[in-house]
Amino acid sequence: NAGVMQNPRHLVRRRGQEARLRCSPMKGHSHVYWYRQLPEEGLKFMVYLQKENIIDESGMPKERFSAEFPKEGPSILRIQQVVRGDSAAYFCASSPQTSNQPQHFGDGTRLSIL
Amino acid sequence: AQTVTQSQPEMSVQEAETVTLSCTYDTSENNYYLFWYKQPPSRQMILVIRQEAYKQQNATENRFSVNFQKAAKSFSLKISDSQLGDTAMYFCAFMKQAGANSKLTFGKGITLSVRP
Repeated sequence: NAGVMQNPRHLVRRRGQEARLRCSPMKGHSHVYWYRQLPEEGLKFMVYLQKENIIDESGMPKERFSAEFPKEGPSILRIQQVVRGDSAAYFCASSPQTSNQPQHFGDGTRLSIL
Repeated sequence: AQTVTQSQPEMSVQEAETVTLSCTYDTSENNYYLFWYKQPPSRQMILVIRQEAYKQQNATENRFSVNFQKAAKSFSLKISDSQLGDTAMYFCAFMKQAGANSKLTFGKGITLSVRP
């Protein structure tokens, strides 16, 4: 039973390029969360999605960041026109339902901006 | 809004000894969940233990146990018989119960080093 799969594991982009991070939740999980971890910091919530719906994007920067979780395929976190400050580890987590189920995390994508 | 505070940035313990990691939180919720996650150098996020706020009994998982003090909003993690593989960052996290959003709120973490 595969866990949460994130790819790529490492992503290098130059300033101004676009970054696309992918997350496939655990089998049977329909809730996806994205978190960002800056160096020497804890994880910060970005966005919560269910299939085809954004439920809570209160942690997403207002510009350049977007997320989707289509009916088919993985969840995508997209960062347009990346800047140095976007360098971080981005973690995806999934759960089968809200409230009382612990979230299972992927291994993260480490984004480096040159 | 919920906040989670881990005031100790790092700790060190001798192998086979016991260590306690502190965590406090602030919330107006009555029902919620608390977690400890471990992040080893590989950077995976591994669930160590969880506690439901409505349960008075402290959770235990093998060598890991918590001291949950709801009135004091304190949630410490005790690691007994520390092993070299316990070396990692440890994050305390809060999650509201019920409702449409179960996002986690994390503390800043504590770096634990186990000395041989």
